[in-house]
Amino acid sequence: SAVISQKPSRDICQRGTSLTIQCQVDSQVTMMFWYRQQPGQSLTLIATANQGSEATYESGFVIDKFPISRPNLTFSTLTVSNMSPEDSSIYLCSAERGGRGGYTFGSGTRLTVV
Amino acid sequence: KQEVTQIPAALSVPEGENLVLNCSFTDSAIYNLQWFRQDPGKGLTSLLLIQSSQREQTSGRLNASLDKSSGRSTLYIAASQPGDSATYLCAVTLGYNKLIFGAGTRLAVHP
Repeated sequence: SAVISQKPSRDICQRGTSLTIQCQVDSQVTMMFWYRQQPGQSLTLIATANQGSEATYESGFVIDKFPISRPNLTFSTLTVSNMSPEDSSIYLCSAERGGRGGYTFGSGTRLTVV
Repeated sequence: KQEVTQIPAALSVPEGENLVLNCSFTDSAIYNLQWFRQDPGKGLTSLLLIQSSQREQTSGRLNASLDKSSGRSTLYIAASQPGDSATYLCAVTLGYNKLIFGAGTRLAVHP
């Protein structure tokens, strides 16, 4: 099944700046997913990323704030733009596990905005 | 709208106890249900996946059951250990590969 490497694992950023999170999958996957987990909360889907097309964003999330790239079938990035303290969360990427079904997740990026 | 609820929200037990974590969902039209473990500040580790046509899955000391008609799943942990301390999340898969997560059960197993 797919294994995902995510980086950075954590970062502390100044408000108004941007951070790009990278996820590398060890096998080709059709769809990748980006989630946000705010402190003490469960996971919320930000967007679904397909190779060769624009990402599909969930209600409450917009491309200007969370631009996503999916240049090939093994890689995706999420940028958190113009950050504010409210963006402090864990961000996780995910992909399908292939024939076994279900999903696998990256190790997460713990973002703190000061 | 699909909602996933996990009970209890938190649980603290002595080492060696057998545990049951509960997950319920409002819409039975799911493709599968997956249980995950999350350590503090970390990503998710998949524990068990139950397809909608299955009743249960087992892995080591873990056993998960699914009753789709009643919208319920349970995760049974046998002979709990301090290393089992983590947050346990259940998630159901809907169409278009959309996962809906519960809020999790925070488990603490003390020696």
